[in-house]
Amino acid sequence: QQQVKQSPQSLIVQKGGISIINCAYENTAFDYFPWYQQFPGKGPALLIAIRPDVSEKKEGRFTISFNKSAKQFSLHIMDSQPGDSATYFCAASNSGGYQKVTFGTGTKLQVIP
Amino acid sequence: EPEVTQTPSHQVTQMGQEVILRCVPISNHLYFYWYRQILGQKVEFLVSFYNNEISEKSEIFDDQFSVERPDGSNFTLKIRSTKLEDSAMYFCASSEGDTPYNEQFFGPGTRLTVL
Repeated sequence: QQQVKQSPQSLIVQKGGISIINCAYENTAFDYFPWYQQFPGKGPALLIAIRPDVSEKKEGRFTISFNKSAKQFSLHIMDSQPGDSATYFCAASNSGGYQKVTFGTGTKLQVIP
Repeated sequence: EPEVTQTPSHQVTQMGQEVILRCVPISNHLYFYWYRQILGQKVEFLVSFYNNEISEKSEIFDDQFSVERPDGSNFTLKIRSTKLEDSAMYFCASSEGDTPYNEQFFGPGTRLTVL
């Protein structure tokens, strides 16, 4: 019940295309959903996050869509660039959990020129 | 820009040996965490730490693991008797507060290899 399921495992997108990564969760106690970006040799870094009281959040080229009833959320990267090539993790946490973050399994994104 | 630092970047040890992984959190942060990432797998929570006490720990964090803040700047993870399956990347993180809305900042990680 604590798992966050993420797909696809890997993704290849042409430069300028849209990258879409999907996640699903089971634990309804989760009330915060961050996405992390990880470059090789680096730790995860917060990219964008959403609370379940909104259905969409946009920051620049990155958009999270959230479907509370389906317990699903997704990351859309518009106009994907080679510099976006990284591993992306969806995650979830709840305000009663001392910020323990439960990560998804990760998506390795490659944006080709 | 302040950042979390970790040393060493890579630690090789023999099975059964003790290792200490070190972290320097961001200076004004009060909450500290350790996560691990087995190669090619997801990042897993190990433990959170606040006010010199463990706040929460996962089932992975058994009696072989311990954490300590020995001084005002360092935060350490000790594995008493390493096993082959402890081989992973270990990430330290810190945050200002304990709500989910306080961003956790991750260090670059220590790659632990147990032979």
